Amino acid sequence: AQTVTQSQPEMSVQEAETVTLSCTYDTSESDYYLFWYKQPPSRQMILVIRQEAYKQQNATENRFSVNFQKAAKSFSLKISDSQLGDAAMYFCAYRTPLGAGGGADGLTFGKGTHLIIQP
Amino acid sequence: DGGITQSPKYLFRKEGQNVTLSCEQNLNHDAMYWYRQDPGQGLRLIYYSQIVNDFQKGDIAEGYSVSREKKESFPLTVTSAQKNPTAFYLCASSSGPWSEQFFGPGTRLTVL
Repeated sequence: AQTVTQSQPEMSVQEAETVTLSCTYDTSESDYYLFWYKQPPSRQMILVIRQEAYKQQNATENRFSVNFQKAAKSFSLKISDSQLGDAAMYFCAYRTPLGAGGGADGLTFGKGTHLIIQP
Repeated sequence: DGGITQSPKYLFRKEGQNVTLSCEQNLNHDAMYWYRQDPGQGLRLIYYSQIVNDFQKGDIAEGYSVSREKKESFPLTVTSAQKNPTAFYLCASSSGPWSEQFFGPGTRLTVL
């Protein structure tokens, strides 16, 4: 079974600085997707960024970028120029399509990292 | 506006009662999912449905049941067999196997 590990239960960063959230995963599949979701206090899950495993280029969305290391099974999220609105729980998630490998079709989540932004 | 709605936002039930959580989407997505979130935990997959009239168990299906009679709707019933039903429940949908999942606002269920 696939597992996703987020080793940082909580991170704190000064406003306008850069922070990196760590994520590692375990899988025997070669083709999969990785996601970072943000969950603010409203508890609405919001997609931040996605990465296809077959793409070597790291995904970027404005101030958010990832460092995808397939061989190391690592998928970290970098937030540049942190803003107060970035404060939230961040979840790393893994997905194989249509239950490839016999697994269920759905996202496997890490336990999350609580990001605090210091003004 | 397209999106996913879940109702109610908060739900209280007495122990031993079955309760049904609603999930509706107007995104024309084929696939729908139910997740459970407990404090300090990530989301865990309960059930999913890739097409109308078909659904599959996820990682923690025991004590839950679902139906998928319409493409837009995927209700979740929490039965009395679920030992620890108090949790936050999130519904999601996806247009296909290579697409991200979009989430509803969630339902907080408290069993007294």
